[in-house]
Amino acid sequence: KQEVTQIPAALSVPEGENLVLNCSFTDSAIYNLQWFRQDPGKGLTSLLLIQSSQREQTSGRLNASLDKSSGRSTLYIAASQPGDSATYLCAVGSYDSGAGSYQLTFGKGTKLSVIP
Amino acid sequence: DAGVTQSPTHLIKTRGQHVTLRCSPISGHKSVSWYQQVLGQGPQFIFQYYEKEERGRGNFPDRFSARQFPNYSSELNVNALLLGDSALYLCASSPYGTSGNTIYFGEGSWLTVV
Repeated sequence: KQEVTQIPAALSVPEGENLVLNCSFTDSAIYNLQWFRQDPGKGLTSLLLIQSSQREQTSGRLNASLDKSSGRSTLYIAASQPGDSATYLCAVGSYDSGAGSYQLTFGKGTKLSVIP
Repeated sequence: DAGVTQSPTHLIKTRGQHVTLRCSPISGHKSVSWYQQVLGQGPQFIFQYYEKEERGRGNFPDRFSARQFPNYSSELNVNALLLGDSALYLCASSPYGTSGNTIYFGEGSWLTVV
């Protein structure tokens, strides 16, 4: 059974700082990995999708890396802004070819606060 | 284009009652998945439907059921509600069942069971 852990659970940083959020997973046989953002009381917004054959993906100030062999992914946020304050969720995608089923296994998230 | 839409946004039910939650996927998307997010936890997979067939089911009791309609919209039904069913129920859509593509989530339906 896949288990996903995110460290730290909460993080508070001053505006402008670069930061790294960590995600680890127990089963390296993944299909892909996605990072999501969740604002309080809201749904999830996809930030980055990394296929299992890729090492990293970048979008603007965000960079996500994937190391399948060690079961780790990191989300790097450059020059943080107060608008980045949210909970960041890591989700490992698995595909069952027999059933044709795809599902995400989520971590509990890292709650980020960027202080002006 | 409209994103994933869910209804109702909030509802309160009594223990033992039944609830139906609805989801309309992004136009052109044929796969719909349901997730339950309890406060302080990450979402947990409940069901995936693709082309109107159930393709996957998470570790949830038989009180939970779902279906997908010809227009690819979906319903999640929960019978005999328990206090522990109180959660944010999220619907997600993607173009295909395999989802090598990004998966898009709706804003969710907040269910409170009293």
